[in-house]
Amino acid sequence: DQQVKQNSPSLSVQEGRISILNCDYTNSMFDYFLWYKKYPAEGPTFLISISSIKDKNEDGRFTVFLNKSAKHLSLHIVPSQPGDSAVYFCAASDNNDMRFGAGTRLTVKP
Amino acid sequence: NAGVTQTPKFRILKIGQSMTLQCTQDMNHNYMYWYRQDPGMGLKLIYYSVGAGITDKGEVPNGYNVSRSTTEDFPLRLELAAPSQTSVYFCASSSGQAGGRSPLHFGNGTRLTVT
Repeated sequence: DQQVKQNSPSLSVQEGRISILNCDYTNSMFDYFLWYKKYPAEGPTFLISISSIKDKNEDGRFTVFLNKSAKHLSLHIVPSQPGDSAVYFCAASDNNDMRFGAGTRLTVKP
Repeated sequence: NAGVTQTPKFRILKIGQSMTLQCTQDMNHNYMYWYRQDPGMGLKLIYYSVGAGITDKGEVPNGYNVSRSTTEDFPLRLELAAPSQTSVYFCASSSGQAGGRSPLHFGNGTRLTVT
């Protein structure tokens, strides 16, 4: 069963605009959420995280929003840059293990 | 400053063969993980370990075995390779300071094909 879902396989945005990547989860026991970024032929790298006691966490151009009632989180990248082109994975944890979504491929066009 | 190192990078196996995927980390992390990534399916947890001598099953453990005799090493063993095990395998580690919530550090993966 897919407990973490990223329903958009791909997203294309223009350089300088906002990128919004979405993620939904089904397990209400998840209390910590993370985003990872993956370039081809490399492993995922940690980008940003948020605890369930918060609804927003910001780190430079990256902001993650959490809506617990809707079991939904999103990653905003502003402004988007060509170097942000990668696959982004959403992940959720309940302290036992970490479950991942299928990923969204972001392409930022110059 | 190597982080998490996986070997080999690529491997082709025949059905029924066995092999061990190697993973080592130099960050003194307690927690280590094995994931597989199938196209369009995200990463699925195979096995994990919270310290030397301790291992636990993840979502998809069938067909695999692990051991954790040292903090640094966490090899993944495939005993009887099947085509369904064709995938990209990622090893990861974390400090475990926040338990299973700690961000993972990944290796660059092993691409395995079983024919």
